[in-house]
Amino acid sequence: NAGVTQTPKFRVLKTGQSMTLLCAQDMNHEYMYWYRQDPGMGLRLIHYSVGEGTTAKGEVPDGYNVSRLKKQNFLLGLESAAPSQTSVYFCASTQTGNYGYTFGSGTRLTVV
Amino acid sequence: AQSVTQLDSQVPVFEEAPVELRCNYSSSVSVYLFWYVQYPNQGLQLLLKYLSGSTLVKGINGFEAEFNKSQTSFHLRKPSVHISDTAEYFCAVSVIGGSNYKLTFGKGTLLTVNP
Repeated sequence: NAGVTQTPKFRVLKTGQSMTLLCAQDMNHEYMYWYRQDPGMGLRLIHYSVGEGTTAKGEVPDGYNVSRLKKQNFLLGLESAAPSQTSVYFCASTQTGNYGYTFGSGTRLTVV
Repeated sequence: AQSVTQLDSQVPVFEEAPVELRCNYSSSVSVYLFWYVQYPNQGLQLLLKYLSGSTLVKGINGFEAEFNKSQTSFHLRKPSVHISDTAEYFCAVSVIGGSNYKLTFGKGTLLTVNP
């Protein structure tokens, strides 16, 4: 009964380093999303996917890339981290006809 | 495009008092409406949603919300709060019939319940 699993849970990066955040869901959901949460800003959509092999830009995509090679996994990459990318990142998923997400527990990323 | 405005960033209340968290939305098309709750250091959990039917929606933990189409509002209420209700609450909308099920969130309201 895992639902949506995000790894890692915490990470500290130096400016310019790269990393990949992994989101895995075991519910066979078609749709997956990456959001970032910043104080006073709510959740803002970075990228999303409507199915295996597809990706699309959200509200704040700059500085991030994504891939969905397998239906159950949605990867978020930072090629050259910047302090402005310090945030809590949430992955979510849903299926056709289901309005409302299942969220992961988040990844807290600090870029110094 | 859709937007969601949560009118209060912070709401402090005493235990057993009633509470209302306000949410207004803007959209040129019809939307579904949601409230999520985020307890400290956790992910978001669906509290309730309005898809159709009765405009008064009941959710988990004794919360309810009322959809008012003319005022484009979806306020969240609880008649008597507990310390354990301390959390951040997010209102969100999704376009009806949209092809990607995207949610647009408000900026959140931090509810603090004091003894």
